[in-house]
Amino acid sequence: DGGITQSPKYLFRKEGQNVTLSCEQNLNHDAMYWYRQDPGQGLRLIYYSQIVNDFQKGDIAEGYSVSREKKESFPLTVTSAQKNPTAFYLCASRTATGTGNRTYGYTFGSGTRLTVV
Amino acid sequence: AQSVTQLGSHVSVSEGALVLLRCNYSSSVPPYLFWYVQYPNQGLQLLLKYTSAATLVKGINGFEAEFKKSETSFHLTKPSAHMSDAAEYFCAVSKYRNDMRFGAGTRLTVKP
Repeated sequence: DGGITQSPKYLFRKEGQNVTLSCEQNLNHDAMYWYRQDPGQGLRLIYYSQIVNDFQKGDIAEGYSVSREKKESFPLTVTSAQKNPTAFYLCASRTATGTGNRTYGYTFGSGTRLTVV
Repeated sequence: AQSVTQLGSHVSVSEGALVLLRCNYSSSVPPYLFWYVQYPNQGLQLLLKYTSAATLVKGINGFEAEFKKSETSFHLTKPSAHMSDAAEYFCAVSKYRNDMRFGAGTRLTVKP
């Protein structure tokens, strides 16, 4: 079945460490996204990528970095510069459905819960 | 930039009662609107989307939403709540392809 796989499901980070969250999709989608979810704040966009080797900052990119070397993969690195990284991280990709180029929806992975210890 | 406001962070209904989750949007142009559902420790699943084809949109699991331009609203309803509907629901708005913005979410509790 096609979908988005995020790993690991749970991740623990020590102070000052960089950690990388994996996101892989086999949907042949061009665009991929990273969101951060905190209780009561909904989802906030960290980074997105429309094509391989290109990505754009979202609303809260500081302390994060990404790469897009392959269409299927969009890993997110949470660097030591991110002072409050404890959150639920969601990866998504964009599908184009229906007619025209504006009828679309996002497909989400099952998330990675990151905790600072 | 467009945004959405979800009224009520928690909604509690009895099983079999009407479910009404409120969402208001702000956008300078006609937006595209979405409702997603999230179960604990899972990703988001698309319930339905408004893309200007029809103002009343039917989604999965018996949910529907009505786009009201005059009220800038896109409220989600279900005539009869089921225990399995307990989850968190997010309204989202988008004008272009890479600018989807989410509301803060509404947690729905269904009482037996």
